[in-house]
Amino acid sequence: DTEVTQTPKHLVMGMTNKKSLKCEQHMGHRAMYWYKQKAKKPPELMFVYSYEKLSINESVPSRFSPECPNSSLLNLHLHALQPEDSALYLCASSQDLGQPQHFGDGTRLSIL
Amino acid sequence: EDQVTQSPEALRLQEGESSSLNCSYTVSGLRGLFWYRQDPGKGPEFLFTLYSAGEEKEKERLKATLTKKESFLHITAPKPEDSATYLCAVPYQAGTALIFGKGTTLSVSS
Repeated sequence: DTEVTQTPKHLVMGMTNKKSLKCEQHMGHRAMYWYKQKAKKPPELMFVYSYEKLSINESVPSRFSPECPNSSLLNLHLHALQPEDSALYLCASSQDLGQPQHFGDGTRLSIL
Repeated sequence: EDQVTQSPEALRLQEGESSSLNCSYTVSGLRGLFWYRQDPGKGPEFLFTLYSAGEEKEKERLKATLTKKESFLHITAPKPEDSATYLCAVPYQAGTALIFGKGTTLSVSS
């Protein structure tokens, strides 16, 4: 079992829907991350939060909106997604920036 | 440009047949190199961190080593349960994020 918990595990949504992905960690880590992973590819960084502030936005389309309500929680709000956005969305956390990152098992997202 | 390259892309071994995976990197000011294991449908599982040339880390049948230009993940007498994709990654952007190699998919048959 991982110490980074992501919900839901699977999500199917239409292109006009609004949904949110959730991530939670209780390791006291102060950096949290969102990655996107397509089949047989490595994870690609989307967003980095450090001490609950957005540090990096890797030119991600505005239909993805991150939120960090507190040091343990990270959300990714989804709206008007495209079929090419179907992927495994991974959350990770680390003690601080530059430290080893620990990943959740991801949310498998399918866009109809 | 910072880059991480892993080889081979795929590796098939018989149970007990030892081998090594390679991760070469071009990063200015290395701030560590991380090895992960990823099983299908799961997130990457952290294995090792290496910070300086000559450093070695071991865990069960795995040993990771680091030189100034590359890292090796040695697998001794592998078992079928070692089958997975092994990823290496290095921090970039002043350590704020990770760049991953494309991974080596290891298959161990009994």
